Amino acid sequence: QVQLQESGSGLVKPSETLSLICTVSDDSSSSYYWNWIRQPPGKGLEWIGYIHNSGSTNYNPSLKSRVTMSLDRSKKQFSLKLSSVTAADTAVYYCARLVYAVAIDIWGQGTMVTVSS
Amino acid sequence: DIVMTQTPLSSPVTLGQPASISCRSSQSLAHSDGNTYLSWLHQRPGQPPRVLIYKISHRFSGVPDRFSGSGAGTDFTLIISRVEAEDVGVYYCTQASQLPYTFGQGTKLEIK
Repeated sequence: QVQLQESGSGLVKPSETLSLICTVSDDSSSSYYWNWIRQPPGKGLEWIGYIHNSGSTNYNPSLKSRVTMSLDRSKKQFSLKLSSVTAADTAVYYCARLVYAVAIDIWGQGTMVTVSS
Repeated sequence: DIVMTQTPLSSPVTLGQPASISCRSSQSLAHSDGNTYLSWLHQRPGQPPRVLIYKISHRFSGVPDRFSGSGAGTDFTLIISRVEAEDVGVYYCTQASQLPYTFGQGTKLEIK
């Protein structure tokens, strides 16, 4: 079964850029959308956006001005950059796969990112 | 954005008894392609969410048949026919019919 694994810096200073990578263990069918979702400590889930295998993206309007997603097919990786972070961006960040016309079906284990000086 | 509202927010249940969670969306989740992209997730402490149900009532691979989903339009329900100890945690409904995708606040299932 396909597995997703997040990696990146666990501590980011305020006003700097958060950078995460998600590595996909196998399979990169064109019908998949690669998502980032976050969960502040003790709180609910927030969808950040997705990137399709074609490279097209869609971001949550609430974060759109600060988010950039990219894809490296050769490395089977997709990435998230969130600029100008504040303490409100402290959260567990998950990468997840969405199958077209089905659902988000596979989640990574998540990585905790803390914004602090 | 579509707002997803779950009730109850907390549900103490006796082992072996049924449990029911409701989810209401602020707009119809019926997609123009004929599908309704409403899913249910289960999250245990310290774990990522996992999919239980997708497209209202389809059980994901490996999900026990004591989990079932129903509903249409704006009102949806997850039912656990007989709660087991491993079912504790937080349940979320989520919609992927309209961007941005959104989630309910979560319902915490506890054993009495």
